[in-house]
Amino acid sequence: AQSVAQPEDQVNVAEGNPLTVKCTYSVSGNPYLFWYVQYPNRGLQFLLKYITGDNLVKGSYGFEAEFNKSQTSFHLKKPSALVSDSALYFCAVRDYNYQLIWGAGTKLIIKP
Amino acid sequence: GAVVSQHPSWVICKSGTSVKIECRSLDFQATTMFWYRQFPKQSLMLMATSNEGSKATYEQGVEKDKFLINHASLTLSTLTVTSAHPEDSSFYICSARDKGEGTNEQFFGPGTRLTVL
Repeated sequence: AQSVAQPEDQVNVAEGNPLTVKCTYSVSGNPYLFWYVQYPNRGLQFLLKYITGDNLVKGSYGFEAEFNKSQTSFHLKKPSALVSDSALYFCAVRDYNYQLIWGAGTKLIIKP
Repeated sequence: GAVVSQHPSWVICKSGTSVKIECRSLDFQATTMFWYRQFPKQSLMLMATSNEGSKATYEQGVEKDKFLINHASLTLSTLTVTSAHPEDSSFYICSARDKGEGTNEQFFGPGTRLTVL
């Protein structure tokens, strides 16, 4: 069965420091991986996706993610965090029915 | 492009009434729309997959008679919460899959906050 794990419920980072939000996956076949961000009382906004190609994927708002097949990971990263990056982040993998299998979400808190 | 809207953005209703939530793809055709429910501080739970012109496919544990889904056109799907009760209070999010987009990515609506008194 396909699954996605986000091992951290919450990540705290000081403004200006690099941030990493972790995601690991379990799929059969080639994974289609996504990161979404959700601000309070808002819908989800697409950040980036990995389908094929370069392992380092660049997305919106300065975020990037690194696909690592051997470690089955797709960690979200940003070189310098902003307070406005504080939000809930979801990792997801697409299954063969085009449904998204979601991680539990990681709350990112950026402190000034 | 690829904008999905939901209406209303929030609704408060009395217990026992029915509430309809609309999900529209504004600039693309969506053969498939998905309805999710999200509880506070939790991930999205897929409720059902809605295909244009056919019956929705409900996930296990979701009552199809309570959560009526209609996908009458390529740009509109509706979710009706019938005889709503306080435990139905939640954040409902829809997404639409672009028929013409190569990777068939899902685009999400802004969500509808339902509060049942």
